[in-house]
Order: sequence, then structure tokens, then C-alpha cells
Amino acid sequence: GQNIDQPTEMTATEGAIVQINCTYQTSGFNGLFWYQQHAGEAPTFLSYNVLDGLEEKGRFSSFLSRSKGYSYLLLKELQMKDSASYLCAYMDSNYQLIWGAGTKLIIKP
Amino acid sequence: NAGVTQTPKFRVLKTGQSMTLLCAQDMNHEYMYWYRQDPGMGLRLIHYSVGEGTTAKGEVPDGYNVSRLKKQNFLLGLESAAPSQTSVYFCASSPTSGGVETQYFGPGTRLLVL
Repeated sequence: GQNIDQPTEMTATEGAIVQINCTYQTSGFNGLFWYQQHAGEAPTFLSYNVLDGLEEKGRFSSFLSRSKGYSYLLLKELQMKDSASYLCAYMDSNYQLIWGAGTKLIIKP
Repeated sequence: NAGVTQTPKFRVLKTGQSMTLLCAQDMNHEYMYWYRQDPGMGLRLIHYSVGEGTTAKGEVPDGYNVSRLKKQNFLLGLESAAPSQTSVYFCASSPTSGGVETQYFGPGTRLLVL
């Protein structure tokens, strides 16, 4: 199969911080995407990284290390509405997205 | 601006029946995609289109056909449905894919094949 992995499920507390990791292996790489998907809904774009480092966007940040084949999505000040699945995907040399299976994030009060 | 829409939202088929899923986008996007999403697996690309009148196979094309007669519409056909095609189907579009572009997804079609 495609070489991209992320944890199946994570649990966090409202108001806390959570980090969702994603690792990948590929010879052709054109960036790493994170999408959010609420149950029964469409995936929606969160972030894109193509260079190493941290991209911050409000409560959400995404990090990329190309040499390590590693990315993480950091969610701060968690809210109940952040309960969703978070999908990472890398763009291969043909500009096609290769998707991880998603991490289901459960937020507890 | 409706974005990407899909019809139907839900369908039950018997093995061997045929059906067509319709995807429409009003963003004037060139590229359109059909994915399937199954539990425990990532989205998998079935077919895609780089423009009106053109289609190409993705990762899992067997058992499906597609057509892109109009730029705004992308149809996915199942000629003889099988239980293995039970899935949630998502359509997506992007302005181009000659470079890096965000894909915008429709709400999905849940298909159950008995």
C-alpha cells in the first residue's frame, strides 16, 4: 500500500493541546496536506507544508521535516467542535494526493 | 456559490445493478476527482479528469467508469455493482493539478451494495 501512517485514534481534553503525527515514505514529494473531516461530512482543507518548519494558522499549526518524512498537526485550546478525523496526505511526483487513513480525535469535557 | 455537490446522498443497490453518481462544481475548476473512503483506509483515487472530455485511471479504477462531457460535471458509473463497492464516494475538484492545488470536496455519496 501507500507508505503513510498516522495514529488511528486520540483523546484529549477541552482546552488542552494535542499533536497528531504523520509519517510517510516517498521518493517524489510535492508537499504535505492536512484536512479535517467531521463525521458524515466532506474533508476540508486545513494546511499545506512544502518547506521544513512550522506553519501557524490561528489555533492550528502544522510542522514538516522532509528529511525525516514526518509532519504533525498541533491543535491548541481544544474546543468540542474540534472532535473530528484529521487526514494527512502527501502530494507525489505526479501531483496526486496519497492519503493516510485518518486520526479520529475525541475531545472530552 | 454551491461549491461541489453530489447526487444522490445515499443509495442501496442489489448486486449486479447499475447506477451513476453525479458530481457538479460551479467554481470553474479544471480538475475533478472521484475517491472512495473505506473504514481504516485512506481516501483512494478511482478516476480523475484534467479537463472537459478527458479522463484517467487512478489507484482503484476496476469496476467503475467515468465521463466528463461538461467541464462542471463528472459522472461515476457502476455497470454491475458488487458488495466490495460498498463505500462512501467523494468527488473533489481543484483549479489545476499541474502544480500544487487544494482539492475541494463534495459532501459524499453513501452506497450500500447488497
